[in-house]
Amino acid sequence: KAGVTQTPRYLIKTRGQQVTLSCSPISGHRSVSWYQQTPGQGLQFLFEYFSETQRNKGNFPGRFSGRQFSNSRSEMNVSTLELGDSALYLCASSLAGTGEPQHFGDGTRLSIL
Amino acid sequence: GQQLNQSPQSMFIQEGEDVSMNCTSSSIFNTWLWYKQDPGEGPVLLIALYKAGELTSNGRLTAQFGITRKDSFLNISASIPSDVGIYFCAGLNYGQNFVFGPGTRLSVLP
Repeated sequence: KAGVTQTPRYLIKTRGQQVTLSCSPISGHRSVSWYQQTPGQGLQFLFEYFSETQRNKGNFPGRFSGRQFSNSRSEMNVSTLELGDSALYLCASSLAGTGEPQHFGDGTRLSIL
Repeated sequence: GQQLNQSPQSMFIQEGEDVSMNCTSSSIFNTWLWYKQDPGEGPVLLIALYKAGELTSNGRLTAQFGITRKDSFLNISASIPSDVGIYFCAGLNYGQNFVFGPGTRLSVLP
């Protein structure tokens, strides 16, 4: 059974640009969550999508947004990139969210120059 | 907001030794999860705990849901080199999102 797939694995951008990251959940999983991981702040929750609707949101500025498609695939967008956005962005999926264990992809490493 | 503390932050052990680490919070949680992350990869789920006092094993790994619901423990028996990595705990309350601890970095010396 294929795991959570995130593309691209690595991305280099400059300040002010925008970026879109993609996540394909495990087949049958309808909940997709996004996290930002940095050495200083650890794993921080960005948002969760279920059935194409954002169900929960963390404490990140509006420059961070996401969406989910009817096939449960999800994208995350960051606009007006800042140096501090450099991080590993992880996507996790579960059958229906609401307390079920989440299964993570290997992440997209975003570097801002 | 809710925060998790993990202890120790890092540890160096000899191959074959047993390992104990814990996760504590000032808040009560209904679910505890333990993950392991290797360099360049995403966290991999090791054990999930759903009930206070629950003790669950996965091979050489054993985790417990603390009776106060404010803590959880992970033990690794007879450590091997591939146990190297960062171990994260995560806590959840119904209707909320998972909160992750800062991790315990484990190094195994041959």
